[in-house]
Amino acid sequence: LAKTTQPISMDSYEGQEVNITCSHNNIATNDYITWYQQFPSQGPRFIIQGYKTKVTNEVASLFIPADRKSSTLSLPRVSLSDTAVYYCLAALRGGKLIFGQGTELSVKP
Amino acid sequence: NAGVTQTPKFQVLKTGQSMTLQCAQDMNHNSMYWYRQDPGMGLRLIYYSASEGTTDKGEVPNGYNVSRLNKREFSLRLESAAPSQTSVYFCASSLRGSGNEKLFFGSGTQLSVL
Repeated sequence: LAKTTQPISMDSYEGQEVNITCSHNNIATNDYITWYQQFPSQGPRFIIQGYKTKVTNEVASLFIPADRKSSTLSLPRVSLSDTAVYYCLAALRGGKLIFGQGTELSVKP
Repeated sequence: NAGVTQTPKFQVLKTGQSMTLQCAQDMNHNSMYWYRQDPGMGLRLIYYSASEGTTDKGEVPNGYNVSRLNKREFSLRLESAAPSQTSVYFCASSLRGSGNEKLFFGSGTQLSVL
């Protein structure tokens, strides 16, 4: 099981691009990288998932280098509503999906 | 289209009391999970059930028991509540339980043990 490491917190301003990097040095060959977003008093919700290179959806982009030891979640032009905690997971073998501490993103006006 | 439903939303217990947190999903998922989240902390896996009829320990199983009643329902029981179990509890489900799937979470149960 890959252990993930992320920055504890980040600050940004509205309209900026935010990049949150996650380290997963011992990621296994079959592991995917998944990112979740959590607002206060809510359960986490899925944002994006990838295996290698780049994945983009309507919310974010995920960049994964060739060695797959890290990944970067990119949020384009953040707004106040993007203030949340972001979790990176890298895990296979169903069941033991272990969350790290997450990155608390604060977006200021 | 409820997704994952948890009951109750709030609960206050006295030390030593017991209670069961209920979770049900209507997405025909095979795998279900219980996490706890303490203030300012990430989620920690308590127990999970890869499929109906199976359960396994997560990171922090002590003081808890679980029952996978059927494919839809996965309950978490505190036999003798302790103040250290004050937390927000989240239930989640996924289709097959592999790491390349989405987890769907309930809205949580806020539990206080006095």
